[in-house]
Amino acid sequence: SQTIHQWPATLVQPVGSPLSLECTVEGTSNPNLYWYRQAAGRGLQLLFYSVGIGQISSEVPQNLSASRPQDRQFILSSKKLLLSDSGFYLCAWSADRAVEQYFGPGTRLTVT
Amino acid sequence: DQQVKQNSPSLSVQEGRISILNCDYTNSMFDYFLWYKKYPAEGPTFLISISSIKDKNEDGRFTVFLNKSAKHLSLHIVPSQPGDSAVYFCAASTYNAGNNRKLIWGLGTSLAVNP
Repeated sequence: SQTIHQWPATLVQPVGSPLSLECTVEGTSNPNLYWYRQAAGRGLQLLFYSVGIGQISSEVPQNLSASRPQDRQFILSSKKLLLSDSGFYLCAWSADRAVEQYFGPGTRLTVT
Repeated sequence: DQQVKQNSPSLSVQEGRISILNCDYTNSMFDYFLWYKKYPAEGPTFLISISSIKDKNEDGRFTVFLNKSAKHLSLHIVPSQPGDSAVYFCAASTYNAGNNRKLIWGLGTSLAVNP
């Protein structure tokens, strides 16, 4: 069966510091991968998606970037965090052309 | 412009009764609709989906109804259990400019099932 991992589970970082969140998927090949953010009391906002290694599409302009160095690895990064980057970050995967997306446990990021 | 709307931020139901969560959409090009359940500090869990060519899909205690003419869908949970207390998200599937599937999300409805 497929499993999706995210780490760390929680993170507190000062403004201006860098960020690296990692997501890995097991049990599937060539998944579509997604990074979402859920701000407090809000819905899910799609940040990036990837249909293959090195292929990244950004949905919204922002302070963050994403990379996919391996088939089942997806990384969310920032060079300098802003207060507004605080939120709950979720990684998800789907099979190619499939409708359903499956989510990881999430990372709670607090920028102070 | 919110293409998927969940107009009730919260809902409270007695254990054993029916929970009905509603969702409205504006884009007639959506071809699938999905419901997810989310507990605090966890990722959403996929519950059930329905194709736009169907009007009902059932899985155990969960049934989703789709009314295309009204652009409305609902999730019925019968009977409701305390463990169903969570935020429920409605999502609609379409294609982006790159012909890849994407989900458009509602803002969620918080369900509380009282013992």
